[in-house]
Amino acid sequence: KAGVTQTPRYLIKTRGQQVTLSCSPISGHRSVSWYQQTPGQGLQFLFEYFSETQRNKGNFPGRFSGRQFSNSRSEMNVSTLELGDSALYLCASTPLGSLGSEQYFGPGTRLTVT
Amino acid sequence: GENVEQHPSTLSVQEGDSAVIKCTYSDSASNYFPWYKQELGKGPQLIIDIRSNVGEKKDQRIAVTLNKTAKHFSLHITETQPEDSAVYFCAASGAAGNKLTFGGGTRVLVKP
Repeated sequence: KAGVTQTPRYLIKTRGQQVTLSCSPISGHRSVSWYQQTPGQGLQFLFEYFSETQRNKGNFPGRFSGRQFSNSRSEMNVSTLELGDSALYLCASTPLGSLGSEQYFGPGTRLTVT
Repeated sequence: GENVEQHPSTLSVQEGDSAVIKCTYSDSASNYFPWYKQELGKGPQLIIDIRSNVGEKKDQRIAVTLNKTAKHFSLHITETQPEDSAVYFCAASGAAGNKLTFGGGTRVLVKP
């Protein structure tokens, strides 16, 4: 079974621009979560989607948004990019819709903001 | 909200020795505790997990123990090999959906 795929793998953007990242979960998985990983802040939860609905949201500004489609694929968008948004953005999928289920991560999208 | 502390931040061991990483959590409602291994250029890989109704779980050379009363859990790697070198993260989740709160990570170096 194919793992979680994320596109693109690398991205360079300029301050003030916006960016959209894509995530395809493992086939049959219905919950998708997004995390930001930086050397300074570590791994931080952004949001979780299940059945096209945002179920949970972390402490990030409104510039960070996401959505999930009926096929469980998910996208996240960051508007008005800042230098501090440079990070590895990770997507994880969960096989069940229940709480506390194992999450499988993709390889991430490395975003660099200049 | 949940807070997870992880120690040590770096760990250097000789091949064949054991490695132990410890984490503490703050939210008594947390009930799921996974461990991830992250190699350079890759996403975190789930290596073992434990739920709050279990005290210990083992999978070949790795084991995890959970002490709910003290709110801490540990990862034990026995007979370490060079390929065990990576960054390891502990995490906790509970009533807040599948949100994982991660520890700061432990960089493990296994010297041949």
